[in-house]
Amino acid sequence: DARVTQTPRHKVTEMGQEVTMRCQPILGHNTVFWYRQTMMQGLELLAYFRNRAPLDDSGMPKDRFSAEMPDATLATLKIQPSEPRDSAVYFCASAHLGSSYEQYFGPGTRLTVT
Amino acid sequence: QKEVEQNSGPLSVPEGAIASLNCTYSDRVSQSFFWYRQYSGKSPELIMSIYSNGDKEDGRFTAQLNKASQYVSLLIRDSQPSDSATYLCAVNQAGTALIFGKGTTLSVSS
Repeated sequence: DARVTQTPRHKVTEMGQEVTMRCQPILGHNTVFWYRQTMMQGLELLAYFRNRAPLDDSGMPKDRFSAEMPDATLATLKIQPSEPRDSAVYFCASAHLGSSYEQYFGPGTRLTVT
Repeated sequence: QKEVEQNSGPLSVPEGAIASLNCTYSDRVSQSFFWYRQYSGKSPELIMSIYSNGDKEDGRFTAQLNKASQYVSLLIRDSQPSDSATYLCAVNQAGTALIFGKGTTLSVSS
């Protein structure tokens, strides 16, 4: 049963702390996306990678957010330092662009920064 | 700025009725169109994709695309209470990230 996995599922942290979220894309998918969802803004694209290379990170606050893909089975999103306004659900999605453009989402990480 | 617009709802329909969800998009060169269903507290789940003008049917779901009018719709026939969720319309150009609408909340009453 191929699916995107994300860890942790929930994270509560204090302002100023570092947060790292991890994503394992579906095996064979070559494109990984990071989204953030809030009630006010809906789903927003933060960054995405194709074949592990970053293609677009214009949605990320550059001073505090960073995204990497150290290998084909792992994508990470880091926030340092975290702020209360970063509280949201962070989703990872993967796709095999080239055969279709369908993206499949992981279960998300619910982040609360106090 | 590329935009995808949806009526936020809630759209309320009785069980067994047809639910019609609509979406418009601003970027004329958009090529791929998707409908996602999101239950409260869960992640978006892909339910339909459509790439060319016309209708595409899958079970109780029909997606309709009109590129000239920049309009995508989703029809749900024989609506069930389990269809109650938020439906997200998403659009992209080939090979780029999806742009999502803010979603329409559907409520099906039994």
